[in-house]
Parts: sequence; structure tokens; C-alpha cells
Amino acid sequence: GDSVTQMEGPVTLSEEAFLTINCTYTATGYPSLFWYVQYPGEGLQLLLKATKADDKGSNKGFEATYRKETTSFHLEKGSVQVSDSAVYFCALSDLGNSGNTPLVFGKGTRLSVIA
Amino acid sequence: EAGVAQSPRYKIIEKRQSVAFWCNPISGHATLYWYQQILGQGPKLLIQFQNNGVVDDSQLPKDRFSAERLKGVDSTLKIQPAKLEDSAVYLCASSLEGGSSYEQYFGPGTRLTVT
Repeated sequence: GDSVTQMEGPVTLSEEAFLTINCTYTATGYPSLFWYVQYPGEGLQLLLKATKADDKGSNKGFEATYRKETTSFHLEKGSVQVSDSAVYFCALSDLGNSGNTPLVFGKGTRLSVIA
Repeated sequence: EAGVAQSPRYKIIEKRQSVAFWCNPISGHATLYWYQQILGQGPKLLIQFQNNGVVDDSQLPKDRFSAERLKGVDSTLKIQPAKLEDSAVYLCASSLEGGSSYEQYFGPGTRLTVT
């Protein structure tokens, strides 16, 4: 079945450092790809998404490019802030046999940014 | 607009007891999801409703878990009897429709501890 693999955490960075969180996927169809973020004490929120190859999703300074040839959707940010400390989840949504498109999540990567 | 509401936020029960969780989705959202998030893992879909009909319950342990969405609005998820391995955060999400182009909005979750 479909699956998502993302880099193990936790990741600890200093403020203004460059961030990369790797994500690769396997899917039977042509999935849409997502990054979700969970801030401490809050629910999951959609950070960005891409629906076809070479699409770049971006939001709040974060970017990720849908790479079909490497089945990857790595999350990047040029300069992290303390407020970016959270757990980040890579996810895909593939068209199932019944026509529904459930989200399949990776295990999550905890990011801590220190001042 | 109000977000997805869930209650209770926390619940501690002993194994073999019963428990129920409640979810109120965003007004007008036809699709409702229940996810289980075990510590250190990403959310896993348990059941998806479209209005008051079940679209996907393939990963719901039906011998002990049940869910309903009366009148296509609120939903309840029940576990009876609970096992130790059911300790997790139970997330409810809703979206306008069920396709991958529709963003899923998550509630804060109910943290269940089974002792």
C-alpha cells in the first residue's frame, strides 16, 4: 500500500539556520503531497501542498517541490525561527479504489529551534 | 469561523472499560474523518464519513470500535472494550468534500490513556 517515510527526529537548530526535512513516498497512483504542522498544544494544520510533478508548495517561508522522479517532497526553510518549533508531518493522498482519498502520514519530525 | 470541536480533551480508563469521543465538524463540511495517532507515529485513518454514510472503514477494528454520524453533522467514536494498545490521541477532521483538493481541518484531539 501507500506509505510515507520522513527523516527521524528530533532536529535541533539555531535560529536563522537552514532547515531540510526529508520525505519520500510510495504510491500506486498519482498522489497529492502535503506537509502538516502541529504546534505545541494545537491541532494539525496544513502547511503546504502540491498536486502534480514539479509543483512547488510554499507558505510561511517553507517550501517543498513535488519530485516524481525521486518520489520525494522535502521540506525546506532558509532561516528558521523559534516559533517554527513544532512537529512536521509529510502526507500523501492517493485516489483509492472507492474514489475516496484518505491521507497517509509519515511518523513526524520534531523540530526545536533555539535562540 | 469555528474550528473542529472535540471532547473530552483527555480521558483515562481501565482496560475492558468503554469510552466515547465526540466531534463537531466545521459547519457545512460534508466529510468527516476519525484518525488514531499513537505516540511517535503519524495519524492513521480509522473511518471516513460522507454526510452520514461511511466511505471507508477498512482500518477500523470493528470488533471493538464503532462510529456514527447521525444527521450528517456530529459524530461519536466508541471503543468497547478498551485495550492497552488503544492508548493514543484520537483526531477528528472535516473537509468540504472528500477529494484531495479539499483541505482537511483537524480538531485538537482527545488523548486516551488505557491503564
